Amino acid sequence: GAVVSQHPSRVICKSGTSVKIECRSLDFQATTMFWYRQFPKQSLMLMATSNEGSKATYEQGVEKDKFLINHASLTLSTLTVTSAHPEDSSFYICSACKDRDATEAFFGQGTRLTVV
Amino acid sequence: AQKVTQAQTEISVVEKEDVTLDCVYETRDTTYYLFWYKQPPSGELVFLIRRNSFDEQNEISGRYSWNFQKSTSSFNFTITASQVVDSAVYFCALREFYNQGGKLIFGQGTELSVKP
Repeated sequence: GAVVSQHPSRVICKSGTSVKIECRSLDFQATTMFWYRQFPKQSLMLMATSNEGSKATYEQGVEKDKFLINHASLTLSTLTVTSAHPEDSSFYICSACKDRDATEAFFGQGTRLTVV
Repeated sequence: AQKVTQAQTEISVVEKEDVTLDCVYETRDTTYYLFWYKQPPSGELVFLIRRNSFDEQNEISGRYSWNFQKSTSSFNFTITASQVVDSAVYFCALREFYNQGGKLIFGQGTELSVKP
C-alpha cells in the first residue's frame, strides 16, 4: 500500500510553453502533498506544500505564479510550470502524506523536465 | 533552526567493504523524526528507515544498520559487506513533530559508489 504515482516521468518542452506534472496517491487519500525540486548533484528542496481544497503554501523564493499547484482532490495534486525556461530544467518529485500528522511521506517516481 | 548535514559528499568503496554514512542534525524540537532514503540513478526515493526522537535503540535490517545518538545529534547509517547494487545517493532527512503537515528537511546527500 501507500503508492504515489507521478506522471510524466520525463518531459522535454520548448522555452515559453507550460508543462503539467501530476501526482496521484493510488491507494490512500492524501490530505497533504509536497513538491520538491532537485538540481543535478544536489539535495531535494521543498517548493511548496499543498493541502486539498486550499491554496498551496510556497517556500521562500519560489514564484507561485510560475509554479502553479492545484490539489483539487484527495488523490491528485498537479504542478504546472508556466512559461518554462531552460533554468527550470530539473527533477521534480512529489510526496504525499495520509494525514496532517503523518510521520511518513510517500514519494512519487519523479519527473525529469528538460526545457530546450 | 532545523538543519541536516551530511558531510560526506562522495564515498567510494570496493565490494564487501563496510561503509558508514554520517548524518548530523539540528533541531529545537524535543519530538522529531529522522529518515534515511536511497535514491538510485533512476531517481525515485526509496524509504529505508524512520526513527522517532524517543527511540534511541539501534536498528539492524539485514546488511543495514543505524546508530542514533541524541547526545551528538547524529543518525549514522552503516552498510555491511557492501554490494554494487548499493551504489546510489543516500539522503538523511528530518521532520519536526510540530512542523505542520510533515515537511521534510533533507541533507545534501552522500553519493556512494561500490566498485566490484
